[in-house]
Amino acid sequence: ETGVTQTPRHLVMGMTNKKSLKCEQHLGHNAMYWYKQSAKKPLELMFVYSLEERVENNSVPSRFSPECPNSSHLFLHLHTLQPEDSALYLCASSQEVSRGYTFGSGTRLTVV
Amino acid sequence: GQQLNQSPQSMFIQEGEDVSMNCTSSSIFNTWLWYKQDPGEGPVLLIALYKAGELTSNGRLTAQFGITRKDSFLNISASIPSDVGIYFCAGLWGGGADGLTFGKGTHLIIQP
Repeated sequence: ETGVTQTPRHLVMGMTNKKSLKCEQHLGHNAMYWYKQSAKKPLELMFVYSLEERVENNSVPSRFSPECPNSSHLFLHLHTLQPEDSALYLCASSQEVSRGYTFGSGTRLTVV
Repeated sequence: GQQLNQSPQSMFIQEGEDVSMNCTSSSIFNTWLWYKQDPGEGPVLLIALYKAGELTSNGRLTAQFGITRKDSFLNISASIPSDVGIYFCAGLWGGGADGLTFGKGTHLIIQP
């Protein structure tokens, strides 16, 4: 248990489906992040929320839509994804960036 | 954005051997972090470095913040099977508004 919980752990979805990834942290951190991890690539920052406000979106396609209803919860809504969106999606939280992030275990997403 | 060059990309070693990996950048970083990711899990923070020249140990792991502030290395002594995984360096640049920059990872494989 890392303190950051992601559900589901695995997700298979068709290109026309709509699904959501959920992340929850009870560490009292004030920032939460979505990262995409693909094989042989660096971790790609997708979204940052600090104090529940989005501060970064890094030109992510609009088929990915984040939501941060409070400081403990973060969602990533998915719709009309492409096969190349298949990856491990990691959620992380931090209180002070210099102390590093606490990552969740990730959601392994497969788009068919 | 900032980029980190992490090497080697992968290592195949015998159990009991020492391991060394490093990260370099063309830019100065204020903080260096080293993470380990086990298969099917999210990255876990191993060591954090905050000062040029700093040498920090965590059990069999030792990491150093380069004098030029543009590099860092991680050593693992007397490797054991549970050391298998992907090791990531991460750096914090400037005021931290852009969050952490991650290397592509070093995949460590240990042959018994």
